[in-house]
Amino acid sequence: GAGVSQSPSNKVTEKGKDVELRCDPISGHTALYWYRQRLGQGLEFLIYFQGNSAPDKSGLPSDRFSAERTGESVSTLTIQRTQQEDSAVYLCASSKGLAGESEQFFGPGTRLTVL
Amino acid sequence: GQSLEQPSEVTAVEGAIVQINCTYQTSGFYGLSWYQQHDGGAPTFLSYNALDGLEETGRFSSFLSRSDSYGYLLLQELQMKDSASYFCAVRDKGNTPLVFGKGTRLSVIA
Repeated sequence: GAGVSQSPSNKVTEKGKDVELRCDPISGHTALYWYRQRLGQGLEFLIYFQGNSAPDKSGLPSDRFSAERTGESVSTLTIQRTQQEDSAVYLCASSKGLAGESEQFFGPGTRLTVL
Repeated sequence: GQSLEQPSEVTAVEGAIVQINCTYQTSGFYGLSWYQQHDGGAPTFLSYNALDGLEETGRFSSFLSRSDSYGYLLLQELQMKDSASYFCAVRDKGNTPLVFGKGTRLSVIA
């Protein structure tokens, strides 16, 4: 596609429910990243996928968070038993590669609100 | 680990020049990047410095001094549309993702 797409654009859920967020990276991009951005804050790294390598999960804040990626395509970020503190914009980004690659292309984000 | 420091807010007048500084601490270094984010929008790439010196792209320039672990973004001929948040980001190794600073909110006033 022309750019990184994410769905849904907005998600409102009740505390304790599970949510799934989807990311479609730019075709041919081997690296995919998830970030969380709370209101007025910076980007908090969550997880990244690079080709067929094991994902770097070092940024996941708790075991309620998990992510999967099918090959070099779609990724889903799952948050189980959501808490109000999970309310944030979840941004996905992709890049052609990592070594020497400097630019990440971001999607529009999913705004998650946990009531 | 890595840490990045940048001012939280900067205000400047339309037509002026503004400099946004960034200092970093990393175990290694693989380049300093700058991203712009308008309210409600996604971050977009502005520049990347892997080597010391100044990189110029139109009204925007970015500088890096690896010996000082310091860089800055320079915006010239400021326009109202430049009002946004600006993030510096570093990669400390070739196979790790970017780590972002907390961002500098730039307000351009008439």
